[in-house]
Amino acid sequence: DGGITQSPKYLFRKEGQNVTLSCEQNLNHDAMYWYRQDPGQGLRLIYYSQIVNDFQKGDIAEGYSVSREKKESFPLTVTSAQKNPTAFYLCASAAYSGANVLTFGAGSRLTVL
Amino acid sequence: RKEVEQDPGPFNVPEGATVAFNCTYSNSASQSFFWYRQDCRKEPKLLMSVYSSGNEDGRFTAQLNRASQYISLLIRDSKLSDSATYLCVVNMGAGGTSYGKLTFGQGTILTVHP
Repeated sequence: DGGITQSPKYLFRKEGQNVTLSCEQNLNHDAMYWYRQDPGQGLRLIYYSQIVNDFQKGDIAEGYSVSREKKESFPLTVTSAQKNPTAFYLCASAAYSGANVLTFGAGSRLTVL
Repeated sequence: RKEVEQDPGPFNVPEGATVAFNCTYSNSASQSFFWYRQDCRKEPKLLMSVYSSGNEDGRFTAQLNRASQYISLLIRDSKLSDSATYLCVVNMGAGGTSYGKLTFGQGTILTVHP
């Protein structure tokens, strides 16, 4: 079945460490997105990519980095510069940039110890 | 003012009840509107789009009021399985770029009890 796979599902990190969250899709979608969700808040856009080898900052990009070397893959690195990284991270894709319907992965829950 | 604002609830209703949620948006140029459903600790999934004329899908009815800049979701004959967080999502429009920004509300928590 087509879909989006995020890994790991749960991740614990010590302060000062960088971590990379994986996002892979087999839907042949052009656009991919990373969101962060905190309790009681809506999803906030971190980065998005409209096409391979291109990505743009979202609303809260500071302390994060991404790459889009392959159409299927859009990994997110949470760097030590991110002040409050504990959150639920959701990767999503859409058939094309500007499409309104997003397909989400199951999410990665990051906890900083 | 938040771009997309919802009453966070929680709404606690008995099975069979009718419940309605509202969502307001700040940008009058917003183009498209949606309701997503998110189960506890899971990913959001599209519930339904919201059309200008209003639309219905089984027990769910969505409406748009452009003049007052809000959308609503009505659930009739609530089921236990309707318990979830309902996210209001608005496409704010691209302003000439190719990316139409989707903005999420903070979600409204619904609990349906026996």
